[in-house]
Amino acid sequence: GAVVSQHPSWVICKSGTSVKIECRSLDFQATTMFWYRQFPKQSLMLMATSNEGSKATYEQGVEKDKFLINHASLTLSTLTVTSAHPEDSSFYICSAGEGQGSGEQYFGPGTRLTVT
Amino acid sequence: GESVGLHLPTLSVQEGDNSIINCAYSNSASDYFIWYKQESGKGPQFIIDIRSNMDKRQGQRVTVLLNKTVKHLSLQIAATQPGDSAVYFCAENTGNQFYFGTGTSLTVIP
Repeated sequence: GAVVSQHPSWVICKSGTSVKIECRSLDFQATTMFWYRQFPKQSLMLMATSNEGSKATYEQGVEKDKFLINHASLTLSTLTVTSAHPEDSSFYICSAGEGQGSGEQYFGPGTRLTVT
Repeated sequence: GESVGLHLPTLSVQEGDNSIINCAYSNSASDYFIWYKQESGKGPQFIIDIRSNMDKRQGQRVTVLLNKTVKHLSLQIAATQPGDSAVYFCAENTGNQFYFGTGTSLTVIP
């Protein structure tokens, strides 16, 4: 099946710094990718929809200036957590599908962010 | 968003028994649903999907049932094995986005 990768798998950063997380579709092109956030023992919460070549669509309550999304190519979307704080510590997961509209989503392995 | 972050309910079953995991979805306009399995520290893994024009779909050892009247999904796992221990989420597709249910933590007792 289709493979989605994320990098890094785990990052520890100091409060106030910015962290970039990459999401790549390895063997297919994805015009749309999704970014989720997951706290321990909780469900995935959709943060934003990343659209290739255009601005991301953010869910209500998600700060777009805090979580910068760039979908520069059909195989890469990046999420940058700016001025990270300890409350941003979480598991960030991306997903991508092979077509637009409803269809199977392939998930990356996730990135664990720890802000100290 | 349509998912709510709540602490996970748990389900424990004996190895070899059948498991039934339930999920209530929120949007009657959702037309596509997926069940995912997530092991600790990993991303979700696709199990089975179903479109809204169906009420049942079977895979290998798994069956998904969809009741649109009450907006309810269930995942049945036959002959549950220790490797099935994980957190299971249902996801509903609304428009072009997926929203996840609360999830259920399944523990298989050998």
